[in-house]
Amino acid sequence: GENVEQHPSTLSVQEGDSAVIKCTYSDSASNYFPWYKQELGKRPQLIIDIRSNVGEKKDQRIAVTLNKTAKHFSLHITETQPEDSAVYFCAADSDSSYKLIFGSGTRLLVRP
Amino acid sequence: EPEVTQTPSHQVTQMGQEVILRCVPISNHLYFYWYRQILGQKVEFLVSFYNNEISEKSEIFDDQFSVERPDGSNFTLKIRSTKLEDSAMYFCASSTTGDPFSTDTQYFGPGTRLTVL
Repeated sequence: GENVEQHPSTLSVQEGDSAVIKCTYSDSASNYFPWYKQELGKRPQLIIDIRSNVGEKKDQRIAVTLNKTAKHFSLHITETQPEDSAVYFCAADSDSSYKLIFGSGTRLLVRP
Repeated sequence: EPEVTQTPSHQVTQMGQEVILRCVPISNHLYFYWYRQILGQKVEFLVSFYNNEISEKSEIFDDQFSVERPDGSNFTLKIRSTKLEDSAMYFCASSTTGDPFSTDTQYFGPGTRLTVL
């Protein structure tokens, strides 16, 4: 069935360093790949998304890259700050519908 | 900025009881979704709803679950006879999706934490 794998499950970086989170997906027909940030007890908040007709997208300190051939996409956060600490989820849509299939999440800790 | 809202924020119920979780999607959105997240786990799709009918449902969404749009603003998830394993955070989401060839951004509500005792 459809699946999204996400790595690593936890990531600890020093403030100012970069963080990279990677996801792979199984449905070759997926076209939409959002990233959500979830702080403890809060709703998932969309931080960036990318569609299959684009290889890379950047928004200030956040960037996402997509390799459709390899079915990989990655989140890059540069100049990390303590407020970036949260759980990050990648997701992919499904060819059969608009549902999102989520990865298992990455707990990012940015040490001051 | 418009947001999806959900009530209640926390619902405690006894096993076997019925619960109704309520959502108010963003007003011009056309697609509505329910997801759930068991504590510490990933977000899982339950059901999508468009044009007053279910578009798709997952294997989790069995006969104990139902959804309804009783009026022009609310979107509800009913669990007919709750089980212990239904304890989770339930998120409602909505999207515009006017384009049948493109998945639009889904905006999530704050969630309802359901605790089944």
